[in-house]
Amino acid sequence: GQQVMQIPQYQHVQEGEDFTTYCNSSTTLSNIQWYKQRPGGHPVFLIQLVKSGEVKKQKRLTFQFGEAKKNSSLHITATQTTDVGTYFCAGYDYKLSFGAGTTVTVRA
Amino acid sequence: DAGITQSPRHKVTETGTPVTLRCHQTENHRYMYWYRQDPGHGLRLIHYSYGVKDTDKGEVSDGYSVSRSKTEDFLLTLESATSSQTSVYFCAISETPGGPDTQYFGPGTRLTVL
Repeated sequence: GQQVMQIPQYQHVQEGEDFTTYCNSSTTLSNIQWYKQRPGGHPVFLIQLVKSGEVKKQKRLTFQFGEAKKNSSLHITATQTTDVGTYFCAGYDYKLSFGAGTTVTVRA
Repeated sequence: DAGITQSPRHKVTETGTPVTLRCHQTENHRYMYWYRQDPGHGLRLIHYSYGVKDTDKGEVSDGYSVSRSKTEDFLLTLESATSSQTSVYFCAISETPGGPDTQYFGPGTRLTVL
């Protein structure tokens, strides 16, 4: 069955540094979605990627969908304390499957 | 935030007791979902509904049942709670299953089974 793997599980970042989290699917996806969950909160939708090779930006966040539509990445530049939380990717291939998430902590 | 509420928000119960969690939406979305969230596992789908009285199993459905008698309400029942069902439960809604209208999550219910 469809599996979505996400790495790393934890990311400890110095404030101001960049980091990337990666998402890989065992199957080709129709789309991939990214969510953010703040500590103690619920997942909140960030963005959806549909096209092969698609790149979308939201301020300091850059999302990319791979050419084969089996992987995706989220790159955050100049990390801020407001970026703390867990970032989930979710791949859709007749059903939506969530990765285990990357939990981000920021050192001020 | 989408109009989704979950009740109760916190519950402590004992092994073997029945538990029902409620999800209520005011968005009139067709699809509703129940997930559980555990450390290291992300969000795992328990059951989902694609319409009134139309439900199907997710990847971790054993020990859980659901019902949807109205568009706005989706109930998750643990017939006989076990300690392995201690988790945070999220309800989600969507207009389409993974399409342009993505999933919106409720605030969650923290369930502890002693």
